[in-house]
Amino acid sequence: QKEVEQDPGPLSVPEGAIVSLNCTYSNSAFQYFMWYRQYSRKGPELLMYTYSSGNKEDGRFTAQVDKSSKYISLFIRDSQPSDSATYLCAMSAGDTGANSKLTFGKGITLSVRP
Amino acid sequence: SAVISQKPSRDICQRGTSLTIQCQVDSQVTMMFWYRQQPGQSLTLIATANQGSEATYESGFVIDKFPISRPNLTFSTLTVSNMSPEDSSIYLCSLGTSVGTDTQYFGPGTRLTVL
Repeated sequence: QKEVEQDPGPLSVPEGAIVSLNCTYSNSAFQYFMWYRQYSRKGPELLMYTYSSGNKEDGRFTAQVDKSSKYISLFIRDSQPSDSATYLCAMSAGDTGANSKLTFGKGITLSVRP
Repeated sequence: SAVISQKPSRDICQRGTSLTIQCQVDSQVTMMFWYRQQPGQSLTLIATANQGSEATYESGFVIDKFPISRPNLTFSTLTVSNMSPEDSSIYLCSLGTSVGTDTQYFGPGTRLTVL
């Protein structure tokens, strides 16, 4: 079993839809959780960052972490064509998220149709 | 956040040759990381590079294949040695920061194709 599993996709939705992206993990030591967005031929860009369990909202994006279920989600409201990208979940079990190994899911490619 | 640049952005290399990838940051950082992103696979950590000490490699990665240098707090190189087609991948450097968040930021990547 991989440490981090991510829905494989691809995912195609109409503009304005609510998108739910999910990852599950097996390592209970993970305590830093991130979502990165990666456009084609670009490096991953940090989208959301959460420490431990709970919700975090930033504009149209909401990140949820449920450590009891080992499950994290990213919700995108009012999706836009510019949201079309690959979304990667990442996690860290170290003392800090900055200076520890990140373990990634495989990523899911989202396409938002105008 | 810091600006991270990588050179080259892409390259096509012949089997058996080596390629050195450079990562430059516009501010001083203690730890830099090198990751590999193979087609259809997860981003995977190759090694952690601390300035002034030997790089620490993850399981499955060895120094002879992926030597790393970290001569100062703003620069690092990763060499992919004796390349084979299986080394075709995107190679990314990242830096960690605890300012604002507590996570890592990535460079644009080097897209390597080995023939």
